Amino acid sequence: SQTIHQWPATLVQPVGSPLSLECTVEGTSNPNLYWYRQAAGRGLQLLFYSVGIGQISSEVPQNLSASRPQDRQFILSSKKLLLSDSGFYLCAWSRGGTGELFFGEGSRLTVL
Amino acid sequence: AQSVTQPDIHITVSEGASLELRCNYSYGATPYLFWYVQSPGQGLQLLLKYFSGDTLVQGIKGFEAEFKRSQSSFNLRKPSVHWSDAAEYFCAVGKRSGGYQKVTFGTGTKLQVIP
Repeated sequence: SQTIHQWPATLVQPVGSPLSLECTVEGTSNPNLYWYRQAAGRGLQLLFYSVGIGQISSEVPQNLSASRPQDRQFILSSKKLLLSDSGFYLCAWSRGGTGELFFGEGSRLTVL
Repeated sequence: AQSVTQPDIHITVSEGASLELRCNYSYGATPYLFWYVQSPGQGLQLLLKYFSGDTLVQGIKGFEAEFKRSQSSFNLRKPSVHWSDAAEYFCAVGKRSGGYQKVTFGTGTKLQVIP
């Protein structure tokens, strides 16, 4: 069966520090991968998606970047965090174009 | 552009009562529609999905949803709510874009269940 893991689960970082959130998927190959951010009362905002290794598309301009160094690994990064980067980050995967998303457990980021 | 509206931010129901969560979407063609559930501090889990065919779809945990094209709605229902159903529920609409599905989520409805 397929599983998806995110880490760390919780992170408290000072403004201006770097960020790295990791996500890995097991049990499937060539998944579509996604990073979402969830803010209270605002639903889920798609940040990045990837249809293959090294292929990253950004949905919104922001202080963050994403990379896919391996088929089942997706990394969300920032060189210098802003207060507005605080939130709950969710990684997800899907099979091709089905739209059915499978989510990780999420990473809670607090920027102070 | 596709969009999803969940007009109810917060709903409270008594355990054993029926439930209906509203969802309206905006999309130019036949959409792919989803309902997800999220427990506090957790990721989202798919409850059910509609791609085509029968407009009444059954999902997990006793939930169902009905696609009504004329009303651009995809409301979620459950005949008898259990305390464990307390969570946040998200409606979503999907559109194929290139090699993947762009899924847009509503802002969610938080369900409280009282004894």
